[in-house]
Amino acid sequence: GESVGLHLPTLSVQEGDNSIINCAYSNSASDYFIWYKQESGKGPQFIIDIRSNMDKRQGQRVTVLLNKTVKHLSLQIAATQPGDSAVYFCAENPQGNQGGKLIFGQGTELSVKP
Amino acid sequence: DTAVSQTPKYLVTQMGNDKSIKCEQNLGHDTMYWYKQDSKKFLKIMFSYNNKELIINETVPNRFSPKSPDKAHLNLHINSLELGDSAVYFCASSQLLNTGELFFGEGSRLTVL
Repeated sequence: GESVGLHLPTLSVQEGDNSIINCAYSNSASDYFIWYKQESGKGPQFIIDIRSNMDKRQGQRVTVLLNKTVKHLSLQIAATQPGDSAVYFCAENPQGNQGGKLIFGQGTELSVKP
Repeated sequence: DTAVSQTPKYLVTQMGNDKSIKCEQNLGHDTMYWYKQDSKKFLKIMFSYNNKELIINETVPNRFSPKSPDKAHLNLHINSLELGDSAVYFCASSQLLNTGELFFGEGSRLTVL
């Protein structure tokens, strides 16, 4: 079916710690996954993406891991900062999608304690 | 300069009214979208346009009519507003049709009383 879900709706971490946000997807045909960050009162902002031919991709302070066997992906944020406080969404682009349709998960709210 | 701009940012109206939300992007992108975010923050695509042509209409009621006068604009008109239309509507654009990197506007919060 079309669903991308998250294990935890909220996550609270101490400033400087690493954060891990998890996401499960159900469509085994999906071949492209994206993480977005949405700060309060703003639109979602692209963070990083990964294709199904990879299992890991790194950006600046962020790493996305993809486990196709269990249909799970995660976003790791190193040295979490107060500015990282936001809602994080994983999104799925189903294979063969020609219409630009992204399927978003529920979202995890990350709260960073100073 | 704001890359994707939407107006108005807030819209409060009565049931049964007709309203429009405008969107403009200055990124030179060919593809534009409308997404709806409900009170639980769930984001769902409504429409996508590529080069002014409708690509996706995600089973949206025909009270919602998007219009793309040119590649830089995608407006959303809503007729006969209902309580359930209350949400935040996001416009977005992307360089390519089948990319995951969308550039979102700041949203238009619609409240139907």
